[in-house]
Amino acid sequence: QSALTQPASVSGSPGQSITISCTGTSSDIGGYNYVSWYQQYPGKVPKLMIYDVRNRPSGVPDRFSGSKSGNTASLTISGLQAEDEADYYCSSYRSGNTLVFGGGTKVTVL
Amino acid sequence: QVQLQESGPGLVRPSQTLSLTCTVSGGTVSNGAYYWSWVRQHPGKGLEWIGFIYYGGYTSYSPSLKSRLTISVDTSKNQFSLGLNSVTAADTAVYYCASSTSTSAWYVFDYWGQGTLVTVSS
Repeated sequence: QSALTQPASVSGSPGQSITISCTGTSSDIGGYNYVSWYQQYPGKVPKLMIYDVRNRPSGVPDRFSGSKSGNTASLTISGLQAEDEADYYCSSYRSGNTLVFGGGTKVTVL
Repeated sequence: QVQLQESGPGLVRPSQTLSLTCTVSGGTVSNGAYYWSWVRQHPGKGLEWIGFIYYGGYTSYSPSLKSRLTISVDTSKNQFSLGLNSVTAADTAVYYCASSTSTSAWYVFDYWGQGTLVTVSS
């Protein structure tokens, strides 16, 4: 099954805002509001940052926000900080009671 | 707070079966509000969903792995397990167990194990 499409890398300066896109199809992102985002530092365990398109788990800074339009979901990091430098993965429920991840985006803080 | 710990062989021979167990603490696998999943990550690559199980035995598997995959739950040991047969070098990856507890949605992984590297090699 094909993965969701994410840009390989996104960069920004401290304090700026960046947006990571995640493109799928009508069978996943476009058909359901079940998009999640995970942050992963090198060699570490993924951490849930956003679920159900725009919901933040307790403890996740409100600098992280999610949205969706059609078949594309987005993660926006506002007020970029050095600690935000990590890999970010989107995931979406897909019809047939399955799940698909994106290929991941490396965020670099300049 | 749920804690997960993977265990199993770090080296598996080609064509053999990869078997991993995830031990759950801080929660019970028989909790009807929780779901138990496996995710893997090939070296230097992205995350790949493998499948999940619900305590009643309901499972859903990745279509690309379904023919080789079994996920089961052992309520007496508070564990769930992964079995992947006929492995090849392409199955070399870090394997994570993960749970969906806070949202009661199986596709949201709020807790993760530390991951275990499984290498397929002769």
